[in-house]
Amino acid sequence: EAQVTQNPRYLITVTGKKLTVTCSQNMNHEYMSWYRQDPGLGLRQIYYSMNVEVTDKGDVPEGYKVSRKEKRNFPLILESPSPNQTSLYFCASSPDGHVQLFFGSGTQLSVL
Amino acid sequence: AQTVTQSQPEMSVQEAETVTLSCTYDTSESNYYLFWYKQPPSRQMILVIRQEAYKQQNATENRFSVNFQKAAKSFSLKISDSQLGDTAMYFCAFMRRSEKLVFGKGTKLTVNP
Repeated sequence: EAQVTQNPRYLITVTGKKLTVTCSQNMNHEYMSWYRQDPGLGLRQIYYSMNVEVTDKGDVPEGYKVSRKEKRNFPLILESPSPNQTSLYFCASSPDGHVQLFFGSGTQLSVL
Repeated sequence: AQTVTQSQPEMSVQEAETVTLSCTYDTSESNYYLFWYKQPPSRQMILVIRQEAYKQQNATENRFSVNFQKAAKSFSLKISDSQLGDTAMYFCAFMRRSEKLVFGKGTKLTVNP
């Protein structure tokens, strides 16, 4: 089944404890992206990657890192999480960035 | 920068009736893509419908259709014969080729029995 897989679905952590949210797609898509969703703000892009050689910042990259060492994986790294990073996170992929995005199931992160 | 505005934070409709969700956007580009995504309580983001700006014809997917007014920069979603399963957040989104998808803040739709 074609899908974007995010893990974990729920995560509670404490301020300053490094964490990684994994994202993997099995559709051989070039483009991958991370979004965060906050009430009243919609979805905002954190980082995106056009292909394994190109990664760039989105609208809200502060406090996040990403890695695209291989086409299928695009992990989101929070080196020192803070409470303002409590949010619902989505990973998404598409064949080339301008057709529809395929979304993962989301990761609800709470930073205490 | 491109912006997407959904002016209706919440809407409700009776089952079997028709409802229209509004979306306007701001861009100076002529080639772009517009989307409506549905997010039910399960939180999954589901593509409802997609419109390419160069196409004059309005996109339709079963009970879902759009009214795309390029000059007015308007992209409304019409849901016909509303069903309880249509209850969800609906997000309008805009994308230029190979650039990021920009979302509106969403409209919460409730379908009442």
